[in-house]
Amino acid sequence: GNSVTQMEGPVTLSEEAFLTINCTYTATGYPSLFWYVQYPGEGLQLLLKATKADDKGSNKGFEATYRKETTSFHLEKGSVQVSDSAVYFCALTNTGNQFYFGTGTSLTVIP
Amino acid sequence: EAQVTQNPRYLITVTGKKLTVTCSQNMNHEYMSWYRQDPGLGLRQIYYSMNVEVTDKGDVPEGYKVSRKEKRNFPLILESPSPNQTSLYFCASSPYLGEKLFFGSGTQLSVL
Repeated sequence: GNSVTQMEGPVTLSEEAFLTINCTYTATGYPSLFWYVQYPGEGLQLLLKATKADDKGSNKGFEATYRKETTSFHLEKGSVQVSDSAVYFCALTNTGNQFYFGTGTSLTVIP
Repeated sequence: EAQVTQNPRYLITVTGKKLTVTCSQNMNHEYMSWYRQDPGLGLRQIYYSMNVEVTDKGDVPEGYKVSRKEKRNFPLILESPSPNQTSLYFCASSPYLGEKLFFGSGTQLSVL
């Protein structure tokens, strides 16, 4: 079946620290992979995506590379800001109509 | 403004009292879906719809119904709510299959 596993949170970092949030997946075929971000009291917003192996998605300083050999899509940012504090969800879709989300990783960035 | 609108934002009800959570999108999207978000479980898909009059079950459809009579609307119906349906619910839409999802702001439901 299809599933997504994310690293447990919460994660607390100081401003300008390096961020990695791990995400691994199980899927048949060639899924598309996504990172969504949820700010307090809001719905999820797409942060970045990748649709095939070795693709790198990037947005707002965040990056993630689709690694088929390790079935991973880890989220990274070189220097986090207080405004990056949110919950981050890794997700996949295989067929386009069913989406599978990880459990979410809460990030708090302190000044 | 392009958006997905859910109502109500908060709802407290009692076991067995039928309720409907509305969802409407103004982007002419083909695809719509419902999710519930629970601590430690992330988002789980309840139902989805690929077009008018076409709906299908997600991972956790038990206790829920949906309808898609118009392209813009996709209400979630709980015929007989139970406490285990207390959750945060999100509606989402997408212009076509596999593309990014646009989420509503969520409905926090408490069933007593």
